[in-house]
Amino acid sequence: AQTVTQSQPEMSVQEAETVTLSCTYDTSESDYYLFWYKQPPSRQMILVIRQEAYKQQNATENRFSVNFQKAAKSFSLKISDSQLGDAAMYFCACMNRDDKIIFGKGTRLHILP
Amino acid sequence: DTAVSQTPKYLVTQMGNDKSIKCEQNLGHDTMYWYKQDSKKFLKIMFSYNNKELIINETVPNRFSPKSPDKAHLNLHINSLELGDSAVYFCASSQPGGVYNEQFFGPGTRLTVL
Repeated sequence: AQTVTQSQPEMSVQEAETVTLSCTYDTSESDYYLFWYKQPPSRQMILVIRQEAYKQQNATENRFSVNFQKAAKSFSLKISDSQLGDAAMYFCACMNRDDKIIFGKGTRLHILP
Repeated sequence: DTAVSQTPKYLVTQMGNDKSIKCEQNLGHDTMYWYKQDSKKFLKIMFSYNNKELIINETVPNRFSPKSPDKAHLNLHINSLELGDSAVYFCASSQPGGVYNEQFFGPGTRLTVL
């Protein structure tokens, strides 16, 4: 069975500082995708960053980067230079080749001015 | 017990046809969503309904029309299907409020337009 675990229900970071959100996953698939989604108060899922499991290089998108440790099945999200607009729920997700997607429980990120 | 179900799982159809995808959730949630999975595998929001009322309507061709007969159902009707509509469509639901705004996803409907 595919599982995704986010062990931090809530986190806070000072504006302009760096924060890392943890995610571990378990899958028996050899080929899969990992995502971080942001959920603002309007509640839809917005993609933050995506990583293909066969790629060793960590994905980056502007201030967002991941630390993908395939052997450890770890996929953490680093947000640099945190901004007030980054405050949201963040969900880690794993999708296999059959498009079955499993989300973690989410981490609520607070940005302190 | 399936929490969020979609029918059909696979849909193959000709260009120009009209088709519907049905979604039902038995979780008692107030909010339902339709997402389209693009070629890079990530999910893009299309619509969101809260208690049968449309609350999110992203830039989607007006050939796509969601219909919510009650809060447990959110169907997606697509008119005049085009090749570019081929994708996997996911339905989801969530309950507002609480610490976690977890969304529960259906299994997806793979639409292939020929």
